[in-house]
Amino acid sequence: EAGVAQSPRYKIIEKRQSVAFWCNPISGHATLYWYQQILGQGPKLLIQFQNNGVVDDSQLPKDRFSAERLKGVDSTLKIQPAKLEDSAVYLCASSLVGTSADTQYFGPGTRLTVL
Amino acid sequence: AQSVTQPDIHITVSEGASLELRCNYSYGATPYLFWYVQSPGQGLQLLLKYFSGDTLVQGIKGFEAEFKRSQSSFNLRKPSVHWSDAAEYFCAVATTGGGNKLTFGTGTQLKVEL
Repeated sequence: EAGVAQSPRYKIIEKRQSVAFWCNPISGHATLYWYQQILGQGPKLLIQFQNNGVVDDSQLPKDRFSAERLKGVDSTLKIQPAKLEDSAVYLCASSLVGTSADTQYFGPGTRLTVL
Repeated sequence: AQSVTQPDIHITVSEGASLELRCNYSYGATPYLFWYVQSPGQGLQLLLKYFSGDTLVQGIKGFEAEFKRSQSSFNLRKPSVHWSDAAEYFCAVATTGGGNKLTFGTGTQLKVEL
């Protein structure tokens, strides 16, 4: 069974530029998550989708971050414009149904460096 | 709001020695608890999880964890560490009231000396 796929794996941009990350979850998984992991910290949930609807985006900086999950499968996370403090690893995860007992499976992440 | 504390940022053990990584949580109800491992350049892999029942949970790669409600702890253990266990370990708690939001600790970096 294929795991969660993410691209690109690495991205370097200058501040005020835009960037987008792509995630393809495990086939059949209804729930998709985007996490931000800053160096030295644990992952922090940015947004959770259930199919193509948003369940939780309370920690998403909506003035610069946006995310969508078209057709309830793939998802993109966009930052526009990027700031230095956005340098982090962006992890995508998916789970089968999205209940608290559900295991989340993580992709390899995209490492973003903002100069 | 729930929170997780991992008091040890770095731990070094010799190969073959036993290991215990500490995790304390704060949550009003009975929590769902998880341990994940992250190797360099990799995503997080689930080692084990606790929901209810037996407080000693067995996981993959020979790891186990014990839930102690009185101490609000969920420590991870392994009787004999292998060099390939060197990685970063994260403890996490999920709310039980719906949704599946994981709150992670800051992680413990494990180094294994040969």
